[in-house]
Amino acid sequence: DAGVIQSPRHEVTEMGQEVTLRCKPISGHNSLFWYRQTMMRGLELLIYFNNNVPIDDSGMPEDRFSAKMPNASFSTLKIQPSEPRDSAVYFCASSPGRDFGQYFGPGTRLTVT
Amino acid sequence: GQSLEQPSEVTAVEGAIVQINCTYQTSGFYGLSWYQQHDGGAPTFLSYNALDGLEETGRFSSFLSRSDSYGYLLLQELQMKDSASYFCAVRGQAGTALIFGKGTTLSVSS
Repeated sequence: DAGVIQSPRHEVTEMGQEVTLRCKPISGHNSLFWYRQTMMRGLELLIYFNNNVPIDDSGMPEDRFSAKMPNASFSTLKIQPSEPRDSAVYFCASSPGRDFGQYFGPGTRLTVT
Repeated sequence: GQSLEQPSEVTAVEGAIVQINCTYQTSGFYGLSWYQQHDGGAPTFLSYNALDGLEETGRFSSFLSRSDSYGYLLLQELQMKDSASYFCAVRGQAGTALIFGKGTTLSVSS
């Protein structure tokens, strides 16, 4: 299996622009997670889907962030408008079940100038 | 609130054994996991303990004591490639997302 696939791997954008991050989970996994990692705040859960349904979005910082999972093989995380403080590495992870280990994608390094 | 505590840094030499502790405080408990992350890489799942006791996977072992709200990751026969950050993570309830600790940076020297 190819593992969790994320795109783009790197994104540099200017403040105010829309950013869309993409994730393809491992086939057969029914849970998908979006995380953000920074030196200051560590690894933070943003949102968690189970069977394509958002279960917990309490970690989404504000309305500028939105996430969708239209089907079992694709999810997006959108930031609109982006701000410099959104600069971080964004990871997508999937799991074969809600109570199993999670498998992380390579991450998207976002820089907002 | 929910929190996990683990040391921020640990140093050791090649061939040694190191133990990384994790204490947690959660409203419920449904398993303790460990993840490894190399600099610039993604977290990698190492182990999962749902019940008390020791789980062994090669050079790595993970231990859990639910009565003490405590677990540890034991790394044996350390190699330079083991230099990485190690995160403990707890699930407070079945079906909820993991809560990650701040991570322990392990530095292995020759």
